[in-house]
Amino acid sequence: NAGVTQTPKFRILKIGQSMTLQCAQDMNHNYMYWYRQDPGMGLKLIYYSVGAGITDKGEVPNGYNVSRSTTEDFPLRLELAAPSQTSVYFCASRPGTGNQPQHFGDGTRLSIL
Amino acid sequence: AQSVTQPDIHITVSEGASLELRCNYSYGATPYLFWYVQSPGQGLQLLLKYFSGDTLVQGIKGFEAEFKRSQSSFNLRKPSVHWSDAAEYFCAVDDKIIFGKGTRLHILP
Repeated sequence: NAGVTQTPKFRILKIGQSMTLQCAQDMNHNYMYWYRQDPGMGLKLIYYSVGAGITDKGEVPNGYNVSRSTTEDFPLRLELAAPSQTSVYFCASRPGTGNQPQHFGDGTRLSIL
Repeated sequence: AQSVTQPDIHITVSEGASLELRCNYSYGATPYLFWYVQSPGQGLQLLLKYFSGDTLVQGIKGFEAEFKRSQSSFNLRKPSVHWSDAAEYFCAVDDKIIFGKGTRLHILP
């Protein structure tokens, strides 16, 4: 009963490096989301996807890219890591819109030094 | 624009005392509303949701919330808190799930 799986759990990057945060869900959910969580700021939506091949920007997309080639996977790419991207990143999925709650992964803690 | 406000950043209550966490929203139509709980180092877990019908909704772990349209509020309540309820609580609204900034609950023994 995996749900939403995020890898890695922790990562330290140097400024300017790139990396991909992985997110996979096995619930056949159409909607997937990426959030970042900073202390005292709640969750901010980075990107979301309503289905394979469809992605859209959220509130804070700058510095990130996503793709959705399959229903299961929704990776988040950082091309040129900056200290401002130090955060905890959460991936979530839900079957559809409206009254459907989200299912969250356990997060990826990312530090940019 | 849609928004969610949780006025209290931190709340401290004694074990066994009652609890109310406040949530106010701004939304043009009848919203879908959610409360999530986050334990340290974990993702968010759904406590309860409201989308229509009875304005008092029951959730897991003994929590309930009441939707009050006139006050644009969806406050979370629990009659008697347990030490294990210490966590951060997030109110959220609608499709793209706009989150409040969270309320951290501390429990005194």
